[in-house]
Amino acid sequence: KQEVTQIPAALSVPEGENLVLNCSFTDSAIYNLQWFRQDPGKGLTSLLLIQSSQREQTSGRLNASLDKSSGRSTLYIAASQPGDSATYLCAVIKAAGNKLTFGGGTRVLVKP
Amino acid sequence: EAQVTQNPRYLITVTGKKLTVTCSQNMNHEYMSWYRQDPGLGLRQIYYSMNVEVTDKGDVPEGYKVSRKEKRNFPLILESPSPNQTSLYFCASSSLVQTGTKNIQYFGAGTRLSVL
Repeated sequence: KQEVTQIPAALSVPEGENLVLNCSFTDSAIYNLQWFRQDPGKGLTSLLLIQSSQREQTSGRLNASLDKSSGRSTLYIAASQPGDSATYLCAVIKAAGNKLTFGGGTRVLVKP
Repeated sequence: EAQVTQNPRYLITVTGKKLTVTCSQNMNHEYMSWYRQDPGLGLRQIYYSMNVEVTDKGDVPEGYKVSRKEKRNFPLILESPSPNQTSLYFCASSSLVQTGTKNIQYFGAGTRLSVL
């Protein structure tokens, strides 16, 4: 059974510092990995999707890497801003199915 | 604009009173699913559907029903709600992995349900 872990569960940084969020998964047979952002009480917004054949994806200040063999993904957010404060979730889809398995999330607070 | 629409956004009800949460998507996606999100337990899949008239249980299906009579709609039905179903519910849709597409998952804005 696929398990997805995100450590730390919470993170607080001063504005301007780079953020590094970690995601690990137990079964490397994945189809893709997706990073989401969730604001309190709100829905999930897709940030980046990395196919299993890719090593990284970039969008603006966001960069996500994938090391499938070691079961790890990292989301980097450069030059953090207070507006980046949210919970970040990673989720994987296994190669043989369509179901998303989520990590528990990392709650980020960027202090002005 | 690609959208997954859930209604209602907020719902307070009493134990045993049947309710339906609607979900609709405008992307012609085959795959639709329902999740519940609870503090400390994360997001867990309730039911999913791979196409019209094809539905199956997720990880926590007890107390829920779904139907998929049309491709765009996937309602979640609570026949006899109980307090332990108080939660934040999300509907999601995507293309099938089997189609070889990127398979980006789109989520609705969520329905916050309280069962008294």
